[in-house]
Amino acid sequence: GENVEQHPSTLSVQEGDSAVIKCTYSDSASNYFPWYKQELGKRPQLIIDIRSNVGEKKDQRIAVTLNKTAKHFSLHITETQPEDSAVYFCAARTSYGKLTFGQGTILTVHP
Amino acid sequence: DAMVIQNPRYQVTQFGKPVTLSCSQTLNHNVMYWYQQKSSQAPKLLFHYYDKDFNNEADTPDNFQSRRPNTSFCFLDIRSPGLGDAAMYLCATSRGTQNSNQPQHFGDGTRLSIL
Repeated sequence: GENVEQHPSTLSVQEGDSAVIKCTYSDSASNYFPWYKQELGKRPQLIIDIRSNVGEKKDQRIAVTLNKTAKHFSLHITETQPEDSAVYFCAARTSYGKLTFGQGTILTVHP
Repeated sequence: DAMVIQNPRYQVTQFGKPVTLSCSQTLNHNVMYWYQQKSSQAPKLLFHYYDKDFNNEADTPDNFQSRRPNTSFCFLDIRSPGLGDAAMYLCATSRGTQNSNQPQHFGDGTRLSIL
């Protein structure tokens, strides 16, 4: 089955800096890669996703890049703000919408 | 305007006492999922329904069962909860076909405590 590795497990940045979280996946058949933000005690919320026919996607301060050959994808957050502090999960999808999640990254943005 | 609704938000049950968690959706999505999420861990898929077809993950304990009486509702039954089953249970939905990639929408979850 699919295996997703996510790094780093914790990330601490100063407000205004950029944050980068990286994930690798094992199943070359995976074709959809969402990123979820989860605040304490709340639901995971989709913040951006990318499909395997696209190399990069951007939405305001958030961008995701995908390298299919190397089987890795990354989340980039620019101009970080304290409200960006949360746990971020990457995921990879194979058949029937089944998602395999990475282990999560605790992002802390210091004012 | 919640689209995936889970009830209750918090559930306390006794060791070994059956418990049912519910999920409903207003999105008319054909795929529904149940995840277990323990503290500081990623959500772990327990099973999912693709339309009426039930798909159980290989490592989901027999203690966990699910029912989907119609498109809108899905239930998670834990027959004999143990202390290790204390967790957040997340329901999610998506619009799925074999070749499409649609996002999953999560409910707020039910936090289950075992006494």
